[in-house]
Amino acid sequence: GAVVSQHPSWVICKSGTSVKIECRSLDFQATTMFWYRQFPKQSLMLMATSNEGSKATYEQGVEKDKFLINHASLTLSTLTVTSAHPEDSSFYICSARSTRGFSYGYTFGSGTRLTVV
Amino acid sequence: AQTVTQSQPEMSVQEAETVTLSCTYDTSESDYYLFWYKQPPSRQMILVIRQEAYKQQNATENRFSVNFQKAAKSFSLKISDSQLGDAAMYFCAYRSVMDSNYQLIWGAGTKLIIKP
Repeated sequence: GAVVSQHPSWVICKSGTSVKIECRSLDFQATTMFWYRQFPKQSLMLMATSNEGSKATYEQGVEKDKFLINHASLTLSTLTVTSAHPEDSSFYICSARSTRGFSYGYTFGSGTRLTVV
Repeated sequence: AQTVTQSQPEMSVQEAETVTLSCTYDTSESDYYLFWYKQPPSRQMILVIRQEAYKQQNATENRFSVNFQKAAKSFSLKISDSQLGDAAMYFCAYRSVMDSNYQLIWGAGTKLIIKP
């Protein structure tokens, strides 16, 4: 079935540094990638939607200069958290729109736990 | 704007028994998709079941079935013969057919506990 590989699965970084999270669609072309943030025991909060070759569309309240999204190819999308601060610590999940098999619609990465110290 | 409501923050069920998770949504549209996703402790989101609004027949996938009541805007998930591996957060989600961005609108989730 459709698989999205998300790396790293967890990362600890120092305050003020930048962190890049990658999501690769392994066996399909991801024309659209969604980036979510999930706080403990809460639902998924959509941060932005990116279409291959286009600028990402950010949800209200999400700082586009802090959360840089690149979707340069049909198999790779990245989220860079710039100048990270402890309040950026969270679980980040990507989801690619797919058209294969029973997962028709959306395939999720396994998530990245970011801790900023 | 569409909304999805899951009114049960937590549910528990004895292993091998049946449990129903509720989901209601609000929309003025007539055609849309509804989903149930499972998020186990690994936090990997897994699609459980999907329903197209234009289909009157309730979707089923092995032990998982839905009760789709379009007029009542209700989309409950029934899990039969509950197993320990069913323990997870369950999220209900809605997708408008009209949304060219294909965005999902999520409920708050229900934590399902399986008692051995």
